[in-house]
Amino acid sequence: EDQVTQSPEALRLQEGESSSLNCSYTVSGLRGLFWYRQDPGKGPEFLFTLYSAGEEKEKERLKATLTKKESFLHITAPKPEDSATYLCAAGRGNTPLVFGKGTRLSVIA
Amino acid sequence: DGGITQSPKYLFRKEGQNVTLSCEQNLNHDAMYWYRQDPGQGLRLIYYSQIVNDFQKGDIAEGYSVSREKKESFPLTVTSAQKNPTAFYLCASRDIGMGQPQHFGDGTRLSIL
Repeated sequence: EDQVTQSPEALRLQEGESSSLNCSYTVSGLRGLFWYRQDPGKGPEFLFTLYSAGEEKEKERLKATLTKKESFLHITAPKPEDSATYLCAAGRGNTPLVFGKGTRLSVIA
Repeated sequence: DGGITQSPKYLFRKEGQNVTLSCEQNLNHDAMYWYRQDPGQGLRLIYYSQIVNDFQKGDIAEGYSVSREKKESFPLTVTSAQKNPTAFYLCASRDIGMGQPQHFGDGTRLSIL
């Protein structure tokens, strides 16, 4: 069964304290690994797509990387406004994405 | 601006009542999706549609119904058969092409009166 697992469930960082979120997947025929940010009471906002192992994408303080079994979202020198839930999802052709349960990130000033 | 509009933002249901959540997109996407989000549960797929006049059940379709009469619109009805409807409902759409992301609306929060 296709599955996406995110860890940790929750992460609390001091402002400026860099860390990484993990997304491991077991999906046959991966067609894209997607990262989203979700703020409370809002829909998920698309951040990145990664297509092949070794690929990296960056946006401000966020960098996403992909291997054959997992993806990491690295957060460098986070600020309080980076606090959100980060969701990872795996694509399998045209069928719906398989989502992980998310990591709740809190950045404390 | 292109996007997905969900309405209403908040909705209250009485016992035994059916309610309909609206989802409209102007992204010209073929596929549309409905998810339910409960605290600690992640996103759970209710129904999806990849083409007008066709839709498939997701993982938790019982107590819900949908229609797809127009490409832009994918309304979700929460029927009285859904005994625990209190949740945050998210609509998404996607271009049918390999490796395309889903884009989401801002959700409808449904509560029981």
